[in-house]
Amino acid sequence: TQLLEQSPQFLSIQEGENLTVYCNSSSVFSSLQWYRQEPGEGPVLLVTVVTGGEVKKLKRLTFQFGDARKDSSLHITAAQPGDTGLYLCADIYYSGTYKYIFGTGTRLKVLA
Amino acid sequence: NAGVTQTPKFRVLKTGQSMTLLCAQDMNHEYMYWYRQDPGMGLRLIHYSVGEGTTAKGEVPDGYNVSRLKKQNFLLGLESAAPSQTSVYFCASSYWTRSGIGETQYFGPGTRLLVL
Repeated sequence: TQLLEQSPQFLSIQEGENLTVYCNSSSVFSSLQWYRQEPGEGPVLLVTVVTGGEVKKLKRLTFQFGDARKDSSLHITAAQPGDTGLYLCADIYYSGTYKYIFGTGTRLKVLA
Repeated sequence: NAGVTQTPKFRVLKTGQSMTLLCAQDMNHEYMYWYRQDPGMGLRLIHYSVGEGTTAKGEVPDGYNVSRLKKQNFLLGLESAAPSQTSVYFCASSYWTRSGIGETQYFGPGTRLLVL
């Protein structure tokens, strides 16, 4: 069974600081997704990365996919209070049908 | 276009009671999923459905049953609630193209369940 581990578990930073969170898999990712979940709501997709070494940018967020497709990172530049939330990585795998497996999450709090 | 909706938002049950959680989506998605979210454990798949009238077990199906009688609705039932089922339950839906790569899951707002 594939395991997705995210680090750190918790992160509290001041507004304007930079941060990086990580997602590591026990096996090769098929297709990696990053979601953000705000308190009291369901997760919302931020990005999908498919190719090893791929880098995608979404405003202040930069997503990197490891060359071996077993790890990924999310870097936030100049964090804002609106970035507060739970960041989840997920893999899509095929086992008779397509399913998702989610990481344990990184809970980020950005203080004003 | 409401997306994915869940009812109820919050419920308290006593051990042994039963209840049904309702999920509805208006995006004509084929795939629907039920997850539970517990602290430090991420989202775990309970059951899922690849189309009307079909359901399948996920990672943690014990103690739950599901039904998909209509394409837009996916019901999650607890026949005899236990304290271990205290959790936040999320429903999601998605569609799949032939490649199956990178399809988005759309989540509902969640149902918070407390079993005493």
